[in-house]
Amino acid sequence: DIQMTQSPSSLSASVGDRVTITCRASQSLRTYLNWYQRKPGKAPKLLIYAVSTLQSGVPSRFSGSGSGTEFTLTISSLQPEDFATYHCQQSNTIPYTFGQGTKLEIK
Amino acid sequence: EMQLVESGGGLVQPGGSLRLSCAATGFTFSSYWMNWVRQAPGKGLEWVANIKEDGSEKYYVDSVKGRFTISRDNAKNSLYLQMNSLRVEDTAVYYCTRIHSGVSWGDAFDVWGQATMVTVSS
Repeated sequence: DIQMTQSPSSLSASVGDRVTITCRASQSLRTYLNWYQRKPGKAPKLLIYAVSTLQSGVPSRFSGSGSGTEFTLTISSLQPEDFATYHCQQSNTIPYTFGQGTKLEIK
Repeated sequence: EMQLVESGGGLVQPGGSLRLSCAATGFTFSSYWMNWVRQAPGKGLEWVANIKEDGSEKYYVDSVKGRFTISRDNAKNSLYLQMNSLRVEDTAVYYCTRIHSGVSWGDAFDVWGQATMVTVSS
């Protein structure tokens, strides 16, 4: 199975900060790397697909990059509604796997 | 509006069975692979199973192989998960999700239901 490791596991930041979350895969993923936002009691929401494409309706302050086994999610200027948990996910190989999540908290 | 609505969760004893359902509206259900994804209490997301558009291919995570069966009825725009021999560790919220397939889409899970809770306990 492909292991997905996110760092950091938690992050404390302020409104307006720029934050970057890293996701490392145990094997190369080509373009099959996606990012989701999860808030308590709500369904996860697709933010970025195929490494760097912004899902419709997602603010442009979110961006994704990377290749091979290392990928990043960047939020350019944190807004109050961005405090949530973020997961990377690979669809390159079954079983599909998720990173353990990065919890973004208000400083 | 694209929507997925799960049902069928509940409390069941270890060794018991449950059948989850997911009703799809707002898109051409028969044109998409579909998934079940779960989240155990205090844990991360785990992909459980998926099924091809016509039901001809199905894949499972190892921990549920031989116990869970994914199926679909395209005439009813519905996805199912038959769960047998349930274990305490199957306790989770279960999400039905749509897969947007293709290299340019990264096979992303782009539509999610609100989930149904499954509790396995004696």
